[in-house]
Amino acid sequence: EPEVTQTPSHQVTQMGQEVILRCVPISNHLYFYWYRQILGQKVEFLVSFYNNEISEKSEIFDDQFSVERPDGSNFTLKIRSTKLEDSAMYFCASRQENVGNEQFFGPGTRLTVL
Amino acid sequence: AQSVTQPDIHITVSEGASLELRCNYSYGATPYLFWYVQSPGQGLQLLLKYFSGDTLVQGIKGFEAEFKRSQSSFNLRKPSVHWSDAAEYFCAVGTRNTGTASKLTFGTGTRLQVTL
Repeated sequence: EPEVTQTPSHQVTQMGQEVILRCVPISNHLYFYWYRQILGQKVEFLVSFYNNEISEKSEIFDDQFSVERPDGSNFTLKIRSTKLEDSAMYFCASRQENVGNEQFFGPGTRLTVL
Repeated sequence: AQSVTQPDIHITVSEGASLELRCNYSYGATPYLFWYVQSPGQGLQLLLKYFSGDTLVQGIKGFEAEFKRSQSSFNLRKPSVHWSDAAEYFCAVGTRNTGTASKLTFGTGTRLQVTL
């Protein structure tokens, strides 16, 4: 069964450094998402991406964040200058078009900012 | 804007007992509704979903949920809990807006503990 994959599973970085989190969505999916979950808290929407552009973003998704689909398979989240409060689990999700809103989630990348 | 409330932060049940996890949503129309489960250190696994039609939906692992429009609820149930069901459970709502990518809005989660 096809699944969303994410790399790395765990990323440790120093405050102020740039990180890129990678996701490979399910191949025939057209909508892509990033969510994050700070330890012990709920899952929060960051950004959605469709047709090679951002469809919607939350207030969390400020100028330090960017997303890109550099080729036909990868979907990346870049944090330009990480802060301590960026430490969280980051989930990528994808879905097909016109199939309700069922999103398939990847296993997540745990980002630790020191 | 849509929102989800899960009033129970933590629930403890005995193995073999029945379970009901509560979820209330706020949305101007009929939403898409989901229950996800998250085991410690793991990702989100979809248990079941409601799009339309029969208001009682069946999911994986013996779970079911009932959509009640009059109560804006989508409670998750299981008749007999197994120790392996111990996890965090998230209710989520998605919009039916066409032409948008439609984010999911999650509740704060209910942590289920199962005693033997």
